[in-house]
Amino acid sequence: DVKVTQSSRYLVKRTGEKVFLECVQDMDHENMFWYRQDPGLGLRLIYFSYDVKMKEKGDIPEGYSVSREKKERFSLILESASTNQTSMYLCASRRAQNYGYTFGSGTRLTVV
Amino acid sequence: RKEVEQDPGPFNVPEGATVAFNCTYSNSASQSFFWYRQDCRKEPKLLMSVYSSGNEDGRFTAQLNRASQYISLLIRDSKLSDSATYLCVVRSGTYKYIFGTGTRLKVLA
Repeated sequence: DVKVTQSSRYLVKRTGEKVFLECVQDMDHENMFWYRQDPGLGLRLIYFSYDVKMKEKGDIPEGYSVSREKKERFSLILESASTNQTSMYLCASRRAQNYGYTFGSGTRLTVV
Repeated sequence: RKEVEQDPGPFNVPEGATVAFNCTYSNSASQSFFWYRQDCRKEPKLLMSVYSSGNEDGRFTAQLNRASQYISLLIRDSKLSDSATYLCVVRSGTYKYIFGTGTRLKVLA
């Protein structure tokens, strides 16, 4: 069964900390994505990567950066965590255009 | 106007009922369309793609109406296990997928 694995289900961090969220997929997919999901706002795209070492900003990239050094791994970095970054973070991968996403199980991040 | 809009619900239906949701999109150039299911506090899971000719998977039927710019999902013979939030997703560009905020379905015994 194909999988997208996110390193943590729940995370609590302090304001100002640097936070790393890791995502690994075993499907040899080229496209990977980071979303955050908030009540009433749905899923919003933070960053995506269509190939190794490539990255593109999504709709809400401020306060975030990403790294994709290997095809299977896409990391989201919160440079200096703030309370408004408390959210559910979802990583997804996709084989190619016109295919649906496979999501990881999500990381619920709380910044205090 | 939002790029993708869904009625948030909840739709409360008895077991065995037929229920339908619509999802409207604003970009007439949108290309791919999907329905996802999301259970409470879980990740979204792909339910089905929506093809121009419509498609069916068991009790689920998806339709696309390009002229009126909406997609629909029909669930027949609802089960308690169908209770979830249903998200519609529209591809509007090479990489840009837009998610609706979801329609909540509760199937009642």
